[in-house]
Amino acid sequence: DIQMTQSPSSLSASVGDRVTITCRASQAIRDDLGWYQQKPGKVPKRLIHAASSLDSGVPSRFSGSGSGTEFTLTISSLHPEDFATYYCLQHNTYPFTFGPGTKVEIK
Amino acid sequence: QVQLVQSGAEVKRPGASVKISCKASGYSFTDYYMHWVRQAPGHGLEWMGIINGYGGSTTYAQKFQGRVTMTRDSSTRTVNMEVIGLRSDDTAEYYCARGGIGDGMDVWGQGTTVTVS
Repeated sequence: DIQMTQSPSSLSASVGDRVTITCRASQAIRDDLGWYQQKPGKVPKRLIHAASSLDSGVPSRFSGSGSGTEFTLTISSLHPEDFATYYCLQHNTYPFTFGPGTKVEIK
Repeated sequence: QVQLVQSGAEVKRPGASVKISCKASGYSFTDYYMHWVRQAPGHGLEWMGIINGYGGSTTYAQKFQGRVTMTRDSSTRTVNMEVIGLRSDDTAEYYCARGGIGDGMDVWGQGTTVTVS
């Protein structure tokens, strides 16, 4: 199975901060990666597909990059509604696998 | 609009089985796959498997092989997932989520809480 790791596991940031989350795959997955946001008690929502393509309706402050084994999700300027847990997902090879998540908390 | 509506919460005894349904609307059912993902309380997301909306072929995560069965009925646009031999660690929120060819999940159901106790 392809193992996905994320760093950091959690971070504290202030409104307006630039935030970067890294996701690494244990083997190359091309750009077969998505990023998901989940707020407490809510359904996950996809933000980014194909590593760098913004899903419809997602604010442009979110961006993704990377290919192969290393990927990043960047929030250019943190808004209050962005405090959540973020997961990466590889869909290159079965079984699909999620990263363990990065919790973004308010400083 | 694309919508996935799941069946309601379930409470089961250990050893029992549970069947969760996911009814799709707003898109061509047979053009997409359906994934099942679960999330235990306080834990991350776990991919369980996938079913093809067109032919009904399935792929399961090895962890769930033999305990999980996914089926679909294209006439009712419904996907079902049955889990047998429930254990306390199967207590989780279970989600269905639509997937495209070569893509991850874009639209998710509202979730079904399964409690095993």
